[in-house]
Amino acid sequence: NAGVTQTPKFQVLKTGQSMTLQCAQDMNHEYMSWYRQDPGMGLRLIHYSVGAGITDQGEVPNGYNVSRSTTEDFPLRLLSAAPSQTSVYFCASSRTVPGSIEISGNTIYFGEGSWLTVV
Amino acid sequence: SQQGEEDPQALSIQEGENATMNCSYKTSINNLQWYRQNSGRGLVHLILIRSNEREKHSGRLRVTLDTSKKSSSLLITASRAADTASYFCATARVDTPLVFGKGTRLSVIA
Repeated sequence: NAGVTQTPKFQVLKTGQSMTLQCAQDMNHEYMSWYRQDPGMGLRLIHYSVGAGITDQGEVPNGYNVSRSTTEDFPLRLLSAAPSQTSVYFCASSRTVPGSIEISGNTIYFGEGSWLTVV
Repeated sequence: SQQGEEDPQALSIQEGENATMNCSYKTSINNLQWYRQNSGRGLVHLILIRSNEREKHSGRLRVTLDTSKKSSSLLITASRAADTASYFCATARVDTPLVFGKGTRLSVIA
């Protein structure tokens, strides 16, 4: 049981390049999300998905694209990288939405993070 | 925004002392959660408290929730050097994603 797996761990991009951060979970979780973490800013939600084929925007979605073709995978695409996207990115998953009334056993699992530098 | 705000931003204590971190938020919530993040690692879920609960315990952790004041506190008793980490509160409303605060950096000096 691998939990939540993010790749790559480290990446350096040039301004304007595109790339995809991969996130996979093997726990059959319906809910997946992407956060970015910047110094002094805590974690900010980029996009999230409540199930295959369903995605929605979070607090800071601009410049990012997501899709959820399978329950297991939730890739995050940077369309045209900018220095402002230099950050640490975390993928997270849980059985259902964190604010669900049914929260018993709904632990949220985070990946280990992807460090992205845009130069 | 319902974003939680932790206080203090940084805390340094001696091993064996208790550490208290506070979290305030702005809107009504379904539950509040605390996470720990070791340097360079992902977040680890510590404890969840529902809006109709006032206190929860887990090992050396004690969490309180005061919905009238829209605040929560995390108490770590008899702290250890291994407790050195950043601690985040996160709030959730019904059927919504988690919203995180900016965190408290805890340093426990041996």
